[in-house]
Amino acid sequence: NAGVTQTPKFQVLKTGQSMTLQCAQDMNHNSMYWYRQDPGMGLRLIYYSASEGTTDKGEVPNGYNVSRLNKREFSLRLESAAPSQTSVYFCASTGDSSQPQHFGDGTRLSIL
Amino acid sequence: EDKVVQSPLSLVVHEGDTVTLNCSYEVTNFRSLLWYKQEKKAPTFLFMLTSSGIEKKSGRLSSILDKKELFSILNITATQTGDSAVYLCAAQPSSGTYKYIFGTGTRLKVLA
Repeated sequence: NAGVTQTPKFQVLKTGQSMTLQCAQDMNHNSMYWYRQDPGMGLRLIYYSASEGTTDKGEVPNGYNVSRLNKREFSLRLESAAPSQTSVYFCASTGDSSQPQHFGDGTRLSIL
Repeated sequence: EDKVVQSPLSLVVHEGDTVTLNCSYEVTNFRSLLWYKQEKKAPTFLFMLTSSGIEKKSGRLSSILDKKELFSILNITATQTGDSAVYLCAAQPSSGTYKYIFGTGTRLKVLA
């Protein structure tokens, strides 16, 4: 009963390095999301994919790219990491817009 | 601009106390409001509210939505140390959109 799986769980990068965060769900959900969570800021939407083959920007997309590889997988890429991108990143999925989101356990990313 | 505001930011109570957490929202063409509990990792879903005045209940937790005054409350009765967590509120704008607007959360600590 895996649900939403994120890898890696922790990562430390140097400024300027690139990194891809992976997310996979096994619930046959159509929609997938990437959020970042910072102290005092709550969860902020980076990108989402309403269905396979589509992606859209959220509230804070700058510095990130995404790929909806197939229905199960949605990856988030940092092309040139910056210290401001130090955060906890959560992936989520939902079957449709009338259902709640299911979250992964998060990736804690530190950029030095 | 769509926004969700939660209060209080943090709360410390003793076991057995009753707590009320608040969530006010301003979203375009409101559709639903969701409550999540976040312990150490992934937020876990508690309630989804779409109709005003109808209480949703699960054990010691209950929630109600007031669409006229644009707020929701989450009540926890007979609190236990296991209720210690961050409680997140999220509002969903109109149908057809897959975005959820999250508040910054209320951090609840229950002392034995």
